[in-house]
Amino acid sequence: DAGVIQSPRHEVTEMGQEVTLRCKPISGHDYLFWYRQTMMRGLELLIYFNNNVPIDDSGMPEDRFSAKMPNASFSTLKIQPSEPRDSAVYFCASSFRQFSTDTQYFGPGTRLTVL
Amino acid sequence: AQSVTQLGSHVSVSEGALVLLRCNYSSSVPPYLFWYVQYPNQGLQLLLKYTSAATLVKGINGFEAEFKKSETSFHLTKPSAHMSDAAEYFCAVSVPVDDKIIFGKGTRLHILP
Repeated sequence: DAGVIQSPRHEVTEMGQEVTLRCKPISGHDYLFWYRQTMMRGLELLIYFNNNVPIDDSGMPEDRFSAKMPNASFSTLKIQPSEPRDSAVYFCASSFRQFSTDTQYFGPGTRLTVL
Repeated sequence: AQSVTQLGSHVSVSEGALVLLRCNYSSSVPPYLFWYVQYPNQGLQLLLKYTSAATLVKGINGFEAEFKKSETSFHLTKPSAHMSDAAEYFCAVSVPVDDKIIFGKGTRLHILP
């Protein structure tokens, strides 16, 4: 299996622009997670899906952030409009069963820089 | 609610020396505990996990961790450090009924030649 795939690996954009991050989870995994990692705040869970349904989006920082999972093999995280404070590494992860007990498999991340 | 504390944001050890990374947790119910490793420019990957079976858990790359309920600790050790162990290590805690996992802030391990 190719593992969790994320694109793009790097994104540089200007403040106010729309940014879309993409993720393909491991086939057969029921859970998909979006995390954000910064030096100041560490690793934060933004949102997670179970069988394509958003379950907990309490970590989404504000309405500028949205996430979708139209099918079992694809998810997007969108930021509109982007701000410099959104600069971070965004990880997608997936797991097979109940994620509190099962291993999470992380993608390589997307490094976002907002100028 | 559960929480996790990693002591020391940076730890340096000499190549061949013992690696000890500290993790303490707080949980009102028996937890599950994890150690993940993040190599430069990569995502996190699981090193090992404790799921209420044996208290001494062996993981990949020669790492192991011991669950000590009395000390609420789950420290990560490796007898002999290798240059390739240089990475950031994250401890995480979860409880099955809560469907949440909480990650620590991470400890960056530096290996000195």
